[in-house]
Amino acid sequence: NAGVTQTPKFRILKIGQSMTLQCAQDMNHNYMYWYRQDPGMGLKLIYYSVGAGITDKGEVPNGYNVSRSTTEDFPLRLELAAPSQTSVYFCASTHDGTGELFFGEGSRLTVL
Amino acid sequence: GNSVTQMEGPVTLSEEAFLTINCTYTATGYPSLFWYVQYPGEGLQLLLKATKADDKGSNKGFEATYRKETTSFHLEKGSVQVSDSAVYFCALRGGDKLIFGTGTRLQVFP
Repeated sequence: NAGVTQTPKFRILKIGQSMTLQCAQDMNHNYMYWYRQDPGMGLKLIYYSVGAGITDKGEVPNGYNVSRSTTEDFPLRLELAAPSQTSVYFCASTHDGTGELFFGEGSRLTVL
Repeated sequence: GNSVTQMEGPVTLSEEAFLTINCTYTATGYPSLFWYVQYPGEGLQLLLKATKADDKGSNKGFEATYRKETTSFHLEKGSVQVSDSAVYFCALRGGDKLIFGTGTRLQVFP
């Protein structure tokens, strides 16, 4: 069972570079989410999607973009990386938004 | 707006001790409530949930009761094990989103 798959697991970026974090789920879930987790802090919602073609901002969307062209994939794009974006990023999905989220293993991003 | 407040950690216990991790919430109406657990190097996974007032969620010896009078959902376990060492997150469902607390780290020593 693949579940939610995130790539890459680790990445180091220089300030100003751009990159895309990939997220794919094979559970046919409609709802997908991107969170970031900073040391000693909880999870902050960046963007979410309730279905293909629909995305919405969370608490901390600045500096990020998303797209949802298929049910399976929900990539997160970082434009002009900044040190403040150093974090662990988690993708999650759920079938109907009832709250039982399935998480990927995380992507650790460092911006230097 | 909706929010979740958890007790700060770390919580340090000896094996077989009793565990309580406090969680209170602010929300409109009666949202579903959750506890998630994060083991080292892993993503979060659902531990238990409660969808209405007075419901008790339970799993792996952990329990939490949805108390609307005190807007609380405290996590308890009667006898912790070293393998319970992890970070525990309280969360509530607000619309299409899940809102998490800051997490409480539990360390259990033999």
